[in-house]
Amino acid sequence: DIVMTQTPLSSPVTLGQPASISCRSSQSLVHSDGNTYLSWLQQRPGQPPRLLIYKISNRLSGVPDRFSGSGAGTDFTLKISRVEAEDVGVYYCTQATQFPYTFGQGTKLEIK
Amino acid sequence: QVQLQQSGPGLVKPSQTLSLTCAISGDSVSSNSAAWNWIRQSPSRGLEWLGRTYYRSTWYNDYALSVKSRITIRPDTSKNQFSLQLNSVTPEDTAVYYCVRKPHRGSAVHGFDIWGQGTVVTVSS
Repeated sequence: DIVMTQTPLSSPVTLGQPASISCRSSQSLVHSDGNTYLSWLQQRPGQPPRLLIYKISNRLSGVPDRFSGSGAGTDFTLKISRVEAEDVGVYYCTQATQFPYTFGQGTKLEIK
Repeated sequence: QVQLQQSGPGLVKPSQTLSLTCAISGDSVSSNSAAWNWIRQSPSRGLEWLGRTYYRSTWYNDYALSVKSRITIRPDTSKNQFSLQLNSVTPEDTAVYYCVRKPHRGSAVHGFDIWGQGTVVTVSS
């Protein structure tokens, strides 16, 4: 199985400041079709996860443009340019390049 | 818009069968452009993909090895829903269970894009 490792596991951030979450996979996530199936989920307290970004850097419709994704191969990053109160929650990276689909352990974003 | 509505018991006895259903609105379980998944979440295991069903001229299933001997995911085209059955449960199967849509790789959007509300399932006598 592909292991997804996120850092940090907890990120206290001041409102209005940037935040960054790293995700590393144990194998390359480049699929034989040339795409990289790495996506990011946000889980607010008490809610199901929500898809934010797919294929490394594509924001789902309705996701604020302060969220951005980047990376390639085995190293990926989610950035929030200016953290707002509604961004509090846990963020997960997930891969769908190879079965079984796997998830990172989650990064908890909290306000200082 | 697409919505998934889960139903099923929240308490299951050890050794018995966990059964959940996910009703789809705004899409079709027989869609050629999506797969229908079950994912669970627990403090000890995090998010864990369990399996999927999808239609591409015929029905296919894929299951995680960790549960392959105990799991069945079935589509129900008459009710536009799909179900999860997990046999011989133990307390380690206690988790929040989600049904989730994932568009096919060729779709414009890819990833687990639509989630059910979640069902807390406790395995206990």
